[in-house]
Amino acid sequence: EVQLVESGGGLVQPGGSLRLSCAASGFSFSTYWMHWVRQAPGKGLVWVSSINSDGTNTTYADSVKGRFTISRDNAKNTLYLQMNSLRAEDTAVYYCVRDRLYYDILTVAYYYGMDVWGQGTTVTVSS
Amino acid sequence: DIQMTQSPSSLSASVGDRVTITCRASQSISRYLNWYQQKPGKAPKLLIYAASSLQSGVPSRFSGSGSGTDFTLTISSLQPEDFATYYCQQSYSARTFGPGTKVDIK
Repeated sequence: EVQLVESGGGLVQPGGSLRLSCAASGFSFSTYWMHWVRQAPGKGLVWVSSINSDGTNTTYADSVKGRFTISRDNAKNTLYLQMNSLRAEDTAVYYCVRDRLYYDILTVAYYYGMDVWGQGTTVTVSS
Repeated sequence: DIQMTQSPSSLSASVGDRVTITCRASQSISRYLNWYQQKPGKAPKLLIYAASSLQSGVPSRFSGSGSGTDFTLTISSLQPEDFATYYCQQSYSARTFGPGTKVDIK
């Protein structure tokens, strides 16, 4: 069974740090781009960060750039998100997400879709 | 950065209704547009990728269309399990989600 299981969430004070982990199973982890997506209580989905299959290319939302670091260990089938200088507005459920590459016959092109999501881990930043 | 908007932000509908949700990108994104469904307390689920391709296992009452900046998600005959929040998302440059459209029972 294809599965993503996040861990590492919890309560942290403003300015503190936390590292999220995402254990992947049931698929060839090292061949997929991966993302972190978050959702504040009662709010919509927000893309946080992406990493390519071998970990050499990373991108971040402006709101977390310079504070968060995405990484992966393909030998351990695990994705990470190191979160530093946490703020109250970082409070959210954090989802680990697989990005699948699809080939579309209509347009003869490749497209990405977030096809597998973890159950999420909750991060609360509060004093 | 590419911004995504959706309309309406919410709608009330009855079982059997045809429902259409619109998504607009701040610049052309070709067909790099996906749609997701999220139910309360659950992770989102991919419905449509590449603007109009149905993800495996998704009922055929869901369909997507559009290209460039304007896109639509249509549910041809709303079922009880379709009451949820729907998000569009672009994959042309990084990733951006729309604000969501909540579909609830009239």
